Parts: sequence; structure tokens; C-alpha cells
Amino acid sequence: DAKTTQPPSMDCAEGRAANLPCNHSTISGNEYVYWYRQIHSQGPQYIIHGLKNNETNEMASLIITEDRKSSTLILPHATLRDTAVYYCIVESTGANSKLTFGKGITLSVRP
Amino acid sequence: EAQVTQNPRYLITVTGKKLTVTCSQNMNHEYMSWYRQDPGLGLRQIYYSMNVEVTDKGDVPEGYKVSRKEKRNFPLILESPSPNQTSLYFCASRWDRGANVLTFGAGSRLTVL
Repeated sequence: DAKTTQPPSMDCAEGRAANLPCNHSTISGNEYVYWYRQIHSQGPQYIIHGLKNNETNEMASLIITEDRKSSTLILPHATLRDTAVYYCIVESTGANSKLTFGKGITLSVRP
Repeated sequence: EAQVTQNPRYLITVTGKKLTVTCSQNMNHEYMSWYRQDPGLGLRQIYYSMNVEVTDKGDVPEGYKVSRKEKRNFPLILESPSPNQTSLYFCASRWDRGANVLTFGAGSRLTVL
């Protein structure tokens, strides 16, 4: 059973913010939200992760709702190079934990 | 540069001819893993290793073997490849503790005829 639900695709204009939603209504208290992306057929790339507080790094911001049942990845100024498949993953930390990649959301950034 | 290196990047082979896809990381990571990616199925984990001499099956281990004799290397072995193993393969590594921040290799595209 998938732990996360993402729409299959979305697009945004270059230079605008891209807001990628993710639902994870069954998330447990010790599970983090991770975001990775895959550009074309390259290896997936880590973007950001969080537990319950909003997080920001040089690539993106992660907004997690107070009940933790959903989150949004924000790319503040999307560029054409941000066109990729974005994976939202919910998983606990620890030596035995593994990341399960679903189908993700395909973001298309248009000129 | 911190990286995961896979070789070969592209390979065409025939059914039954043993092959090995190598994976090496220079970050001293304890955890390493192999995934395969197929259209419509996403990334599926084949095998993983918590540390040297410690390996375990992932979700789709049939037809594959792995070994972890050194910390930096985690080769994927196809003893008798079949056409259904035609796929894009990724190796990844991370620390064994803390966040699941995986570093992936560039991928190895394998075709079995």
C-alpha cells in the first residue's frame, strides 16, 4: 500500500514558484517526509526532508501541515532544468529503513 | 567529489551470459543498495547491505546476487541473465544512521537479448 499520494503531473511557468503537493494521511509519528527528484533517466537526487517543522535549503522549501497528513514542496523560482519527476516518500530513519519510490509527480516547466 | 560510480553505464548482452555491474562509493557509507527502474513500476529495491558482509533481499531479488567484501564496493551479479532483467539499474549509498539521504549513481542501462 502506497504511503503517499501525488498527482501524476503538473506544470508551471519558468520563473514562477512550483508547488508540488503530497498526501500522506497515514504517516506515523516517527516517519519523515523526503523529497527526491529524477531528471530524465539520471539517478534520483535528494532535495529535502522534514519531520514536522517547515524546512528550507538552497534547493527548495518543504511545508508540512500541522497534522502532518500532507506536505508541499516549493521550488521558489522554477527553471527549465527543474523539469523532472519528483518523489514524495514517507519513511522512518534507522539502519533498517528503506526508501520506497512510487510513481512521483512529473513537473514540466514551460518557457 | 563525493559520488557513487557504476560500471558499465550501458551493456547489451545475451541470455545466460553472466555479468557483473560494479558499484563503488567514496563517502565511507555503511549502507548500500541496488534498485531497478522499469516503465510504470517506479524504482524497486533489489538488495541492500548494512555493512561489510551484511546483505539482505529487497523487494525483487530473484535472479540477482550481491556481495559486500569491502565497504566501498557493492557489485550486482546476474548469474544467468534473462530478458526480463532488461532494465535501468541504480546503486545508492548512505550512512546507516540518521536521515535517509541516499546518494545515487548515474545508472546502468542493461539490455538482455
